[in-house]
Order: sequence, then C-alpha cells, then structure tokens
Amino acid sequence: DGGITQSPKYLFRKEGQNVTLSCEQNLNHDAMYWYRQDPGQGLRLIYYSQIVNDFQKGDIAEGYSVSREKKESFPLTVTSAQKNPTAFYLCASSIWQGRDQPQHFGDGTRLSIL
Amino acid sequence: DAKTTQPPSMDCAEGRAANLPCNHSTISGNEYVYWYRQIHSQGPQYIIHGLKNNETNEMASLIITEDRKSSTLILPHATLRDTAVYYCIVKGFQGAQKLVFGQGTRLTINP
Repeated sequence: DGGITQSPKYLFRKEGQNVTLSCEQNLNHDAMYWYRQDPGQGLRLIYYSQIVNDFQKGDIAEGYSVSREKKESFPLTVTSAQKNPTAFYLCASSIWQGRDQPQHFGDGTRLSIL
Repeated sequence: DAKTTQPPSMDCAEGRAANLPCNHSTISGNEYVYWYRQIHSQGPQYIIHGLKNNETNEMASLIITEDRKSSTLILPHATLRDTAVYYCIVKGFQGAQKLVFGQGTRLTINP
C-alpha cells in the first residue's frame, strides 16, 4: 500500500542532544512537509520541500534542520538549539504541480524530553 | 489564506448522516475548501476538497454554497469510527502551501 511512514512513533531526547525523525513516502509525491502540533493546538509548518535538493523554511524553522537527498525521504533533525522540542511531529507529502493537490500525512512521531 | 469558523463540538447518532458546517466568508476566488479529520494521536486524514462545485467521494460529500462563503461536510452513514476532530481549511496555491488548522469540530458518534 502507498503511504507515508514516520519513525519512530515515540522518541525521547536528552538535554543537548540532536535527534532525527524519519519520514519516507512511496506515493511518488514531489513535495514533502514537516509540521509540529502542540496539545490542543493546530499544526505549524517547520520546513517544506518542493523537489529534491531544495527546501524552504516554514513558520517555525529555528532549531530544526532538514535534508532532501531523495524524493522519497525528508528527515527532520531537532537540534539542541530547539529549547522546547516536546511536541507531536507530522510529516506530509503532496503532488506539487496543480493548484489543489491535497497533502497526505503520516501517523506522526511524539517527541519528549528526558 | 481565508479564516474558517466551525462549531466546537457536535453529536450524531450512529447510522445517521453527520452534517458539519464551516463558514469561510472571506474566501477568495482561487482558494479551495479542504476537509481533514484527526483521530486522537494519529496524523490528519484527508477527506475531500472542492472549489465551487459539490464533490463526493467514498468517504463523504462536500456541499459549497453558491457564494462560496460556507460549506457542509456530509458523512452519509456515520459509524463509531468517525468520531474525530474535523477541520475545514481554506487554502490557495501561492506561497508555502501550508495547511492552517483551526480548532475544528469535535464530532462524537453515539451508539
């Protein structure tokens, strides 16, 4: 089945540690996105990528980094500079061409601080 | 992107049609209406979207008023598994293409 796979489902970070969240899609989508969701709140865009080897900052990129070396993969690194990393992280993908292509989401990674 | 207004919560009996309203009075001509839902601790699930015509797929129907200032998502035969938070989102096709999720409607399907 085609879809978006995020791993791990739960992740714990120690103070001063960088952690990387995985996002893989087999939908042949051009664009991929990372969002952050805090309890009781909506999603906020961290980074997005329209094509391989290109990505753009979203609204809350500070303390995060990404790479897009393959079309299928868009890993997110939460660096030690992100002082409040505890949140639910969601990866999405979509076809970029066409004005109305919906984004499809993975099941998320829940990150907590030890 | 235009702002949307949804009731915070709704109840519906199992087997009945669930009609979820959304107001988007400031929508512009090139903005689409999208509906997603999110079950607790899962990622949002895309349901349906439309521009001006009514749309139907295997999950739901979307009715958009002629002036496009409001819409209704219809789940024709609600089941317990349809209990979720439903989000109505209006999005154009310029810029970052981010989805802006508001507070949504918490739909509870009762047996």
